[in-house]
Amino acid sequence: KQEVTQIPAALSVPEGENLVLNCSFTDSAIYNLQWFRQDPGKGLTSLLLIQSSQREQTSGRLNASLDKSSGRSTLYIAASQPGDSATYLCAVPNTGNQFYFGTGTSLTVIP
Amino acid sequence: GAVVSQHPSRVICKSGTSVKIECRSLDFQATTMFWYRQFPKQSLMLMATSNEGSKATYEQGVEKDKFLINHASLTLSTLTVTSAHPEDSSFYICSARDRGKGLHTEAFFGQGTRLTVV
Repeated sequence: KQEVTQIPAALSVPEGENLVLNCSFTDSAIYNLQWFRQDPGKGLTSLLLIQSSQREQTSGRLNASLDKSSGRSTLYIAASQPGDSATYLCAVPNTGNQFYFGTGTSLTVIP
Repeated sequence: GAVVSQHPSRVICKSGTSVKIECRSLDFQATTMFWYRQFPKQSLMLMATSNEGSKATYEQGVEKDKFLINHASLTLSTLTVTSAHPEDSSFYICSARDRGKGLHTEAFFGQGTRLTVV
């Protein structure tokens, strides 16, 4: 069974800093990996989807990389802003498109 | 992106009563929807897979008689928590896959339902 781990569990940075969130998964036979953002008490907002054939995907200040063979993905956030404060989740689907979620990284960007 | 609407966003119910949560795909058809549960400070755990026109598939440890799932149309799945107890208090969230797109394309999630059983 796929296991997804995220490090660190919590991160606090001053505004403007660049930061990296890490995600690792145990089964490298994945179709894709998706990064989500979750605000307190809210649902999930899809940030980036990176297919297994891709090495990275970018959207605005966000860049996700994928190293399937080593079972790792990183989410890079450039020039962080207070509005980026949220929990970030990575998830990988199985053959039936059911997702295995990481434990999340709680990010706080201090103004 | 595609929109998945979940209702209600919050519900408080008395112990022993039943609560129904709706998950709708607003601008696409979904033959498959997924129900997840999230306890405080934990990640999302898959409860069941809802298939349009057939029985849901439940994950190990999830009581099918307690968590009734109905997927009667291509745009609606419902989760009913029967005889709710305080330990059922959690955040429930659904996901839907666009049947018009490939199997492993982007997943879309509802806004979630915060259930509190008192």
